[in-house]
Amino acid sequence: AQKITQTQPGMFVQEKEAVTLDCTYDTSDQSYGLFWYKQPSSGEMIFLIYQGSYDEQNATEGRYSLNFQKARKSANLVISASQLGDSAMYFCAGRMDSSYKLIFGSGTRLLVRP
Amino acid sequence: ETGVTQTPRHLVMGMTNKKSLKCEQHLGHNAMYWYKQSAKKPLELMFVYNFKEQTENNSVPSRFSPECPNSSHLFLHLHTLQPEDSALYLCASSQVTGLAGSSTDTQYFGPGTRLTVL
Repeated sequence: AQKITQTQPGMFVQEKEAVTLDCTYDTSDQSYGLFWYKQPSSGEMIFLIYQGSYDEQNATEGRYSLNFQKARKSANLVISASQLGDSAMYFCAGRMDSSYKLIFGSGTRLLVRP
Repeated sequence: ETGVTQTPRHLVMGMTNKKSLKCEQHLGHNAMYWYKQSAKKPLELMFVYNFKEQTENNSVPSRFSPECPNSSHLFLHLHTLQPEDSALYLCASSQVTGLAGSSTDTQYFGPGTRLTVL
């Protein structure tokens, strides 16, 4: 069964340092997409970054990069130079078959310390 | 307005009330979604509409009734809800190509409606 696993319920990081949020996925499909979203306390789910299963390069978007290790089925999010505004819930999600369903992990709460 | 908008942002209703949540997307997408996010639970997909046709209903109770009059608007009609239905209801849209793993499948979310059922 397709599944997204985030094993870190909560993380702390010092302002201006980098942090890695873990995500592993389980699928037998060859074609799939992986997404990371940020959810601040206001509730809105903000799209951060996307990685396709056939992409050979790791995705990057500004301070966000995705460490994609296909053989290990992991798609970890790296946030560089953390800012106080990065404090939020972060969700890893995947679309892994021909359905429209996006499967979400349980999320990681990140707190950036000044 | 840009992106995905949802109204109302907050809603308190009694168990016998009837109310509707509205979602509008300004992104030209062909698919729209309703999700439920309860405290301490992962997001749950409720309904999917592709080109105004419902393509997925994730075993949602009939007290939730979706309506998609066109590809830009999505409603969730609520009646005789239970207190356990209190949650954040999120709407999203995407441009579906039929290929899993396409970047155009990125779902963009609205700000959500925080629903409290008394």
